[in-house]
Amino acid sequence: DGGITQSPKYLFRKEGQNVTLSCEQNLNHDAMYWYRQDPGQGLRLIYYSQIVNDFQKGDIAEGYSVSREKKESFPLTVTSAQKNPTAFYLCASTSGEETQYFGPGTRLLVL
Amino acid sequence: GENVEQHPSTLSVQEGDSAVIKCTYSDSASNYFPWYKQELGKRPQLIIDIRSNVGEKKDQRIAVTLNKTAKHFSLHITETQPEDSAVYFCAVPDTGRRALTFGSGTRLQVQP
Repeated sequence: DGGITQSPKYLFRKEGQNVTLSCEQNLNHDAMYWYRQDPGQGLRLIYYSQIVNDFQKGDIAEGYSVSREKKESFPLTVTSAQKNPTAFYLCASTSGEETQYFGPGTRLLVL
Repeated sequence: GENVEQHPSTLSVQEGDSAVIKCTYSDSASNYFPWYKQELGKRPQLIIDIRSNVGEKKDQRIAVTLNKTAKHFSLHITETQPEDSAVYFCAVPDTGRRALTFGSGTRLQVQP
């Protein structure tokens, strides 16, 4: 957990604006994940990446985009196509032993 | 993909009582079963996990049991304390995607 950082802690998006959420890990983990959590709900998988320069869509990828240019970084962009972006966004990583460790999260709010 | 069902959605117990949360899954190839605890506004934290080569694992007041034949596993918390109040999630690997599929969560409230 301590090796995964997310920024910012809070993010405000105006209508029609793209915003990017940062996720960095220094655990040397190969795989990284983005989840969305709505109030009182579970975690839904947005995108995941098993190795550098490769990523796959999860269950709710529409309106989001990612990149994985470096092993330690997996930024998530919430595009203007995502009409209901208000949620708690969690980044996670794993070394391949299946145990996932989460970052502290970013809370995205719409102005 | 993997399908995970978690029950109950809410659970209220008196301090000192035991709490049990159950999850069922669909993929018989799954071999890793973690439980996460999430306090309000915080990240999920791994509290215990079990692999399919054992039927039970304990760590102080928490334990996880696994029934691979019936495809369900349970979290047991004994001697509950107010600080155990949180949302608990089970998860199962989606072996096709190498990602975890999470249950819908159980909100546990321990009444002092």
